[in-house]
Amino acid sequence: GENVEQHPSTLSVQEGDSAVIKCTYSDSASNYFPWYKQELGKGPQLIIDIRSNVGEKKDQRIAVTLNKTAKHFSLHITETQPEDSAVYFCAARLGGTSYGKLTFGQGTILTVHP
Amino acid sequence: GAVVSQHPSWVICKSGTSVKIECRSLDFQATTMFWYRQFPKQSLMLMATSNEGSKATYEQGVEKDKFLINHASLTLSTLTVTSAHPEDSSFYICSARGDITHYEQYFGPGTRLTVT
Repeated sequence: GENVEQHPSTLSVQEGDSAVIKCTYSDSASNYFPWYKQELGKGPQLIIDIRSNVGEKKDQRIAVTLNKTAKHFSLHITETQPEDSAVYFCAARLGGTSYGKLTFGQGTILTVHP
Repeated sequence: GAVVSQHPSWVICKSGTSVKIECRSLDFQATTMFWYRQFPKQSLMLMATSNEGSKATYEQGVEKDKFLINHASLTLSTLTVTSAHPEDSSFYICSARGDITHYEQYFGPGTRLTVT
């Protein structure tokens, strides 16, 4: 089955710096890659996603890049703010169909220091 | 984005009793709903997938007789934890994907279950 590896497990940055979280996946047929932000005691919130026919997508301070050849995708957060502190999960859609289940990475605890 | 709600947000029950958790898609029709379990500081573990009007598909190792899932309508799915034990204490999160959100999958706020 699909396997998603996420690094780093923890990331600490100063406010205003950039943060990058990387994920690799094993199933080359995967075609959808979302990123979720989870605050303590809450459910995950979809913050950005990318499909396999696109190499990069940006939404204000957040961007995601996808390298299908290398089977890895990354989340980039610029001008980080303390409210960006949370756990971030990457995921990949298994099997290359729009109805497959998501496989999640292990999560990254991001801490932004004021 | 689409909104998914869960009720209750937290529940405490005694060992041996059953508890039901509701998941609703508020502004879209959820053709597929997912139930996850999350332990502290861990990732999301998929328990089962349900399509409206069909029986749920459970992941390996998840007891279908213990975790009853019903997806009777396009906006409501329920998870019933039967004969709960302390080891069932966890954070349960539902997620939904619908007729509009073919790719996107949205999560509810989660339910904290504590079994005493």
